[in-house]
Amino acid sequence: QKEVEQNSGPLSVPEGAIASLNCTYSDRGSQSFFWYRQYSGKSPELIMSIYSNGDKEDGRFTAQLNKASQYVSLLIRDSQPSDSATYLCAAGMEYGNKLVFGAGTILRVKS
Amino acid sequence: ETGVTQTPRHLVMGMTNKKSLKCEQHLGHNAMYWYKQSAKKPLELMFVYSLEERVENNSVPSRFSPECPNSSHLFLHLHTLQPEDSALYLCASSQDQSSSGELFFGEGSRLTVL
Repeated sequence: QKEVEQNSGPLSVPEGAIASLNCTYSDRGSQSFFWYRQYSGKSPELIMSIYSNGDKEDGRFTAQLNKASQYVSLLIRDSQPSDSATYLCAAGMEYGNKLVFGAGTILRVKS
Repeated sequence: ETGVTQTPRHLVMGMTNKKSLKCEQHLGHNAMYWYKQSAKKPLELMFVYSLEERVENNSVPSRFSPECPNSSHLFLHLHTLQPEDSALYLCASSQDQSSSGELFFGEGSRLTVL
């Protein structure tokens, strides 16, 4: 059974701090990794994708991938209350096929 | 209309009813998906359609029947459901099946089975 594990949280951080969200995956053959943000009562929205080991930055978001450790993380710099949401990690085969989602981590940014 | 739209947004049905969920995407994408989201559980992929052809069926019970008449429309026909089928059903699309991780989701249909 291929799985993606996330701490359910909630992860609470003060406004302006760095939020660090983590995810591990069981299928060593996974090649594509995604972070989705889901606001309460809304649908998931893709915020980051990463395919190679290392860091990928997009604005305040940095995705980190370590395939040897089967570990993916999302860093949110200068966290804002509007970042409060559930963050879903997903791992898939090439191009995102056979995508497996984690159950999500709830992030709360306190002003 | 833009993006992915789903109707109805909320549905309550008895176990003997027959109903359908509708999804329409206005993005010009070629792949469409049905996902099930239950509380505290990961998103579960149910069906994948690529260019109107079903390419994946993840061991979903036959009481769920998908239909994709064209690349813009996707239906999920429901009959003789069980209370444990109560969940949020999300439709999604991607440019094509080779970009299956880059999904655009609709707002979902919240289903309650009594």
